[in-house]
Amino acid sequence: DAGVTQSPTHLIKTRGQHVTLRCSPISGHKSVSWYQQVLGQGPQFIFQYYEKEERGRGNFPDRFSARQFPNYSSELNVNALLLGDSALYLCASSFGLGEQFFGPGTRLTVL
Amino acid sequence: AQSVTQLGSHVSVSEGALVLLRCNYSSSVPPYLFWYVQYPNQGLQLLLKYTTGATLVKGINGFEAEFKKSETSFHLTKPSAHMSDAAEYFCAVSGANFGNEKLTFGTGTRLTIIP
Repeated sequence: DAGVTQSPTHLIKTRGQHVTLRCSPISGHKSVSWYQQVLGQGPQFIFQYYEKEERGRGNFPDRFSARQFPNYSSELNVNALLLGDSALYLCASSFGLGEQFFGPGTRLTVL
Repeated sequence: AQSVTQLGSHVSVSEGALVLLRCNYSSSVPPYLFWYVQYPNQGLQLLLKYTTGATLVKGINGFEAEFKKSETSFHLTKPSAHMSDAAEYFCAVSGANFGNEKLTFGTGTRLTIIP
């Protein structure tokens, strides 16, 4: 079975631009969570969606938004990019409780 | 609110020696606890988890951890280190609410294995 997939793998943007990151969960998983991992730190929770409803939001500005589609895939959108948004963005899926399975991440560089 | 403290941002052990990575947590609700490993330029892989039941949990690659409620600890151990264990290790805590499973991570411990 395929694991969690994320696209793109790498992305380079300039300040002020907008970016969309995509995630496909493991088949059967209805929960998708997004995390930001800045170099040298642990992942920080951004959003969780379960059955297309937002179930949690971390301490991130409104420039960050997300949604979950009927097929349970998800998009993370970041507007007005700042240099500090440069990070590895991780997507994780689960049945809704317990083990979360992580994708390989999208490396975003903001210049 | 939940938090995780990992003592020691860098740990070095000799090949064949005991690995001990420390994790203490804080949680206002019964916690679920996890250890993840991250290899360079990769995502996170689950090593082991504690949800309910037996407090000594065994994971992949010979790792195990013991949940000690009285000490609010969940330390990760491996009897004999292997070169392939060199990686970044993260301890994480979540609540036990279905559909609301935010993971709070520690800052990580980089494990180096000395030949």
